[in-house]
Order: sequence, then structure tokens, then C-alpha cells
Amino acid sequence: GDSVTQTEGLVTLTEGLPVMLNCTYQSTYSPFLFWYVQHLNEAPKLLLKSFTDNKRPEHQGFHATLHKSSSSFHLQKSSAQLSDSALYYCAVNNNAGAKLTFGGGTRLTVRP
Amino acid sequence: DTTVKQNPRYKLARVGKPVNLICSQTMNHDTMYWYQKKPNQAPKLLLFYYDKILNREADTFEKFQSSRPNNSFCSLYIGSAGLEYSAMYLCASSSWGENTLYFGAGTRLSVL
Repeated sequence: GDSVTQTEGLVTLTEGLPVMLNCTYQSTYSPFLFWYVQHLNEAPKLLLKSFTDNKRPEHQGFHATLHKSSSSFHLQKSSAQLSDSALYYCAVNNNAGAKLTFGGGTRLTVRP
Repeated sequence: DTTVKQNPRYKLARVGKPVNLICSQTMNHDTMYWYQKKPNQAPKLLLFYYDKILNREADTFEKFQSSRPNNSFCSLYIGSAGLEYSAMYLCASSSWGENTLYFGAGTRLSVL
């Protein structure tokens, strides 16, 4: 079955520094990859998604490139903002339906 | 309006008692999901409805039941709560094949 690994459970950064949250996956079929963000007491919301190898979708300053050769979909942002503090989930869908398999999540805290 | 609502936000239950959680969506999505989220773990898919067809994951098949009286509503039912059911329960909806899930803010269930 599908699986997703997010190596960092907690990341703390100073405002203005770059963000990189790691995500690697295993999938039997050609996968869709997703990043969801969940702010405190809010619903998880889609941040980015990708199906195409080596394309780089962007949203709200975040971007992620799907590299099928290394099974990775790392989330990056050039400059962290205080409002980026949230829980970030990487997820995979194996294109056989709409079921998502999530990673364990990375809690990002941005400090002044 | 991309809204998924869950009620209640917090629920306290006694061991051995039944629990019923409610979810609604206004997007006319054909598929609704229930995920269980425990601290430091990935959200885990429990079951989903595609239209009127219920699909339960094999490892939680006997622990959870669900009903979908109409397209907008979906419930999650626990017949006899145990301590291990304490978790955040996330409801989501989607149009099958579009891959993007829309989540509610969750119901935090505490079993005492």
C-alpha cells in the first residue's frame, strides 16, 4: 500500500529564514502528491498538489517539486512568516480513487 | 462555499457508551470520509461513502459504523466507546476523481 514519511515532527524557525519540510512517499501506482496545512483550531486545507514529474506548483509563497526518481515532494518557502506557523501534512493518492494516505505531519513554529 | 461542518467540536463519552458524530457538507460532493487522528500519528482513514455505498477499512471494520441519510450528511457511530477511541475525528468530502479533499475542523472525542 501507499505510505508517506515526514522526517521532522517539529520545526522551529526564525521569521525570514527559508522553510523546507521533507516528504518522501511510496506508491504502487502513479501518484498525486499533496500538502495540506492546518492552523490551530481550523480544518486542514489544501496548500499544493502535483501529479507531474519535475513541475513546481506554487501557492501563498510555498512551492514543492514532485521528483518521481527520488519519490520526494519537499515543501519550500524562501522566507518564513509568523502566520506560517501550523501543522503541515504531506499526503499521497494513488490515482485509483480519492483516498488519501497521510504522513505524520510536521508542526512548523515561526518565531519573531 | 467550500464548507464541511462537524458537530460537536468536543465530545466527552463514557467507556461502554455509544457515540455519534455528525458531519455535513454543502458542496454536493458524492464522497464523504472519516479519518481518525491521534497525537503524533498520521490521520488514518476509517471509512468513506461513495454515494450510498459504504467502504470501511479492513483494520477498523468492526469498530466503526456510519450512515449517510442524504448527500449532505454523514455520521460516524461507535457502538461501545473504549479508551482507545479518544482522538480527533476529521470528516472530509470530495468529488470522486478530483482528488482534492475538503476537511471539517474535526471533533475531539475524549473517552473516560
